[in-house]
Amino acid sequence: GENVEQHPSTLSVQEGDSAVIKCTYSDSASNYFPWYKQELGKRPQLIIDIRSNVGEKKDQRIAVTLNKTAKHFSLHITETQPEDSAVYFCAARNTGNQFYFGTGTSLTVIP
Amino acid sequence: DTAVSQTPKYLVTQMGNDKSIKCEQNLGHDTMYWYKQDSKKFLKIMFSYNNKELIINETVPNRFSPKSPDKAHLNLHINSLELGDSAVYFCASSRGGNSPLHFGNGTRLTVT
Repeated sequence: GENVEQHPSTLSVQEGDSAVIKCTYSDSASNYFPWYKQELGKRPQLIIDIRSNVGEKKDQRIAVTLNKTAKHFSLHITETQPEDSAVYFCAARNTGNQFYFGTGTSLTVIP
Repeated sequence: DTAVSQTPKYLVTQMGNDKSIKCEQNLGHDTMYWYKQDSKKFLKIMFSYNNKELIINETVPNRFSPKSPDKAHLNLHINSLELGDSAVYFCASSRGGNSPLHFGNGTRLTVT
């Protein structure tokens, strides 16, 4: 199956600074890469996604980049706010329609 | 309207018991999944199922079995529960293609 690695496992930033989370995947046939935010005690929720034919996508303060050749993708959050504090997961979907998740990044935004 | 609903929300049981978790989706999605989230927050795929194919992650013990009475439901049965089965179990569904997973609210299983 697919193997998704995610770094860092924990990240603390000052409010207003940027946060970057990086993921790599192993299956070159994977073609869809969603990112999820999970607040304490809640379900993971989609925040942004990117398809393999796109290099970058932006939605307000959140952006995702994809390098298919290197098999890595990153989440960028600008102007962080305390409500951005959560665990973030990257994921890769393979051709069998199975989603494999990274190990998560616990982001803390310090007011 | 909850898109993916699972019951119960909490399940406390003793070792050796058999239990089930129910999942229903009203999104009309073709594929449903079960994920296990352990104490370290790792999200591990257990099963994916559509009306054609069941894919079982090779690390899942055969004490776990999914049952799908119809396209909108994928229940999880667990036999002979063990302490290590304690976790949060998430049901999810997807339309397929380049579409995301939609998660249920999770079932926190505690085995004592």
